[in-house]
Amino acid sequence: NAGVTQTPKFQVLKTGQSMTLQCAQDMNHEYMSWYRQDPGMGLRLIHYSVGAGITDQGEVPNGYNVSRSTTEDFPLRLLSAAPSQTSVYFCASSYSETQYGYTFGSGTRLTVV
Amino acid sequence: DAKTTQPPSMDCAEGRAANLPCNHSTISGNEYVYWYRQIHSQGPQYIIHGLKNNETNEMASLIITEDRKSSTLILPHATLRDTAVYYCIVRVEGGGADGLTFGKGTHLIIQP
Repeated sequence: NAGVTQTPKFQVLKTGQSMTLQCAQDMNHEYMSWYRQDPGMGLRLIHYSVGAGITDQGEVPNGYNVSRSTTEDFPLRLLSAAPSQTSVYFCASSYSETQYGYTFGSGTRLTVV
Repeated sequence: DAKTTQPPSMDCAEGRAANLPCNHSTISGNEYVYWYRQIHSQGPQYIIHGLKNNETNEMASLIITEDRKSSTLILPHATLRDTAVYYCIVRVEGGGADGLTFGKGTHLIIQP
């Protein structure tokens, strides 16, 4: 099925551990981005990419790394997890936002203890 | 991107039209109005967008005032499944590469 796939759906980490949140899309979209959503809040942009090999920081990039080696994949790495990174993470992709908008994944619920 | 203002919550009876307002008084001439919604615990979903003309698709209608300082999203026959947080976002034309800026949106509750 075409869309944005995020794995895992749930994850519990201990403080200081590292992990990678996976995001893959099969729609040949150039634009991809990562967001976090804290309880009762809107989504905040972490990192984004305008194509393979090109990434940039969003509003809240500290503590996260990204890379874009292929058009399909845009993984988000937590370098040393902290309780403040407990959140729901969403990945999104777009071919042309002015025509089609962004397609979002179903999210990864991360708890750091 | 221009700032938007939305009411924090609204109620609507099932089967009636839901009208969600958005104020964007500082909008520039090349900025589009986008609407997304987020049903509980799911990723946001694109609904509709427009520049200055009214737009309609299978999900909703978007009415933009002539001075473009405000807009209204209309769900013509609301169902319980339309209960969600609705986000109004203003963005420059062709500015889709660098992600989206979300506010707190309007929590629409459809009452049976």
